Amino acid sequence: AQSVTQLDSHVSVSEGTPVLLRCNYSSSYSPSLFWYVQHPNKGLQLLLKYTSAATLVKGINGFEAEFKKSETSFHLTKPSAHMSDAAEYFCVVSEEAGTALIFGKGTTLSVSS
Amino acid sequence: GAVVSQHPSWVICKSGTSVKIECRSLDFQATTMFWYRQFPKQSLMLMATSNEGSKATYEQGVEKDKFLINHASLTLSTLTVTSAHPEDSSFYICSARKSGTSGGDSPQETQYFGPGTRLLVL
Repeated sequence: AQSVTQLDSHVSVSEGTPVLLRCNYSSSYSPSLFWYVQHPNKGLQLLLKYTSAATLVKGINGFEAEFKKSETSFHLTKPSAHMSDAAEYFCVVSEEAGTALIFGKGTTLSVSS
Repeated sequence: GAVVSQHPSWVICKSGTSVKIECRSLDFQATTMFWYRQFPKQSLMLMATSNEGSKATYEQGVEKDKFLINHASLTLSTLTVTSAHPEDSSFYICSARKSGTSGGDSPQETQYFGPGTRLLVL
């Protein structure tokens, strides 16, 4: 069965410093992986997705993630945090049939000035 | 764009009543829609997969007679919480996947999420 583990429930950074949100996955096949962001009172927004093309995926708002099969990881990074990045971030893997998404428990990102 | 709306955005109801939540894809057709439930400070849990013109597929542990799903058109799916109880209070989120090859490329294509409906049962 597929699953994702987000290693940190809460990450705090200062504005202008790098962001690292960690995600490990478990899958018996070559998965599709996603990062979604959820701002308060707003819908989930897709940041980026990996679907077996380039292992380094660039997303919106300066975020990127690298698929590392040997480490079964898909960590999300950003070189310089902005106050508007404060939100809940979900690492997601698709089911083998690709019909549904399995969400991690989420990581709350706080950005201080 | 790919916009998904939900209505209502929040609802408060008395225990024992039924509540209907609508999920609409505003600018694309969606053969498949998904319903998720999110408890406070927790992740999204898939409740069911809704396919246009056929019965929904429910995840293990989700009561299909309590959470009625109808996907009557390519742009609308509804979730009805029947005989709601306080433990049904939650944040319900739908998502939609574009239909056919014109809007997508594989089963792993992007799902577009609605803004969610917050349900409070008193």
